[in-house]
Order: sequence, then C-alpha cells, then structure tokens
Amino acid sequence: DTEVTQTPKHLVMGMTNKKSLKCEQHMGHRAMYWYKQKAKKPPELMFVYSYEKLSINESVPSRFSPECPNSSLLNLHLHALQPEDSALYLCASSQDTGGFGDEQYFGPGTRLTVT
Amino acid sequence: DQQVKQNSPSLSVQEGRISILNCDYTNSMFDYFLWYKKYPAEGPTFLISISSIKDKNEDGRFTVFLNKSAKHLSLHIVPSQPGDSAVYFCAASSSDMRFGAGTRLTVKP
Repeated sequence: DTEVTQTPKHLVMGMTNKKSLKCEQHMGHRAMYWYKQKAKKPPELMFVYSYEKLSINESVPSRFSPECPNSSLLNLHLHALQPEDSALYLCASSQDTGGFGDEQYFGPGTRLTVT
Repeated sequence: DQQVKQNSPSLSVQEGRISILNCDYTNSMFDYFLWYKKYPAEGPTFLISISSIKDKNEDGRFTVFLNKSAKHLSLHIVPSQPGDSAVYFCAASSSDMRFGAGTRLTVKP
C-alpha cells in the first residue's frame, strides 16, 4: 500500500465554522506534512511532523492547528478561517525527514473553500 | 492508484553532463505539469512547469518536454551541477494535484 488518503475531498465552510481535515498512510512512514497550494502555484509547506512530534511550523496562523494522534494519522483542525485560506490542502508522508528515504508520497488533497 | 509515476527512484550523473528525469501519467484530464526540487527536511521548491497546450518549456539549464500522446514528460538539466543533487518530483494537476514519488538525482563532481 503506497497510498496517502485524505478526507474530505472537498470542503466548504463558513468563517465561523470549525472543521478538520484528515490524512492517513499505512506505509510505516514516520514523517508527515501539511502543504497549502493555491491554484497554479507550487505547494507551500505548513507543518512537518517527525515521529509524531511537530518539528516544523512555517509561521502558520493559529487558526490552523495540526494534530498527529498516531504514526498513521495526521489532522488539520480549522477554525475562524478567512476567504483567502481557500486552497488545496495537501498531506504527504515520507520514511523520515532526511536521508535517502526522503521521497514524499502525497495525497490527492482537500479542496477547501471558505465563504 | 498512482496517476503520476516516476519509475526511477535514483539517477547518478557526472558534473557537466545532461540529467534526464522521466515521468509518466495516466489521467488525460491533467492540464498542467510541474517539476519540484526538494532538499532533505525542506518543502518542495518549484522548478519549472508546462501547460498541456505546449510541448516544451525552457528556463535556463532546465527544460521540460511534454509528450501528450505518450502521457510522458521529462526534465532535462544541462549542464548538471553538484548543487542540482536533490530529489525531483513530477506533479500533474487538473482539479487536484498528483505527485510522483520522486527521483533522487546525484551529480558527481
């Protein structure tokens, strides 16, 4: 199984809503990532979890709250988002955060629209 | 299913020679293709892209070729430099983004 799954595929939420994005992998990878991607732009790194601990936070606003309940799951909790937060949110995983096994497997993304 | 495939996990070339990284895709709905370069513990860095209406795009030492009939694209780096050593991801997009698993390029001095 070389797949990273993300749910939901699409999400529309109001600025006062609370929602969560979910990501799952069963490849035994110990590093997981959240990216944000605007249309026709490269993905922008948001968070990196290594061995279930947050290792990188790229100065992401607190309205985005990541959570790694176990080595296979990664959540992104959303609260009080702004319309400009509308984007494709990508999850990825890799064997580790360094070394040869750093090839990242990406999920298909959750397309988020904030109204 | 893997809609974007990079079948070579690694590639090693000599400095000054050409590096050719390949990518195949299965979804004919993809209309935009990108290559990213990634160093360990960093997010992908955008390198070059190509729209499905073109078959070639060049930017300095980097050229991307798209063969839609074969559903194949390639990245050429000429001349290759040691600083080009990294993992290269191919990506394709339509309503979402699909990435290949990456190819690790090593350029030897």
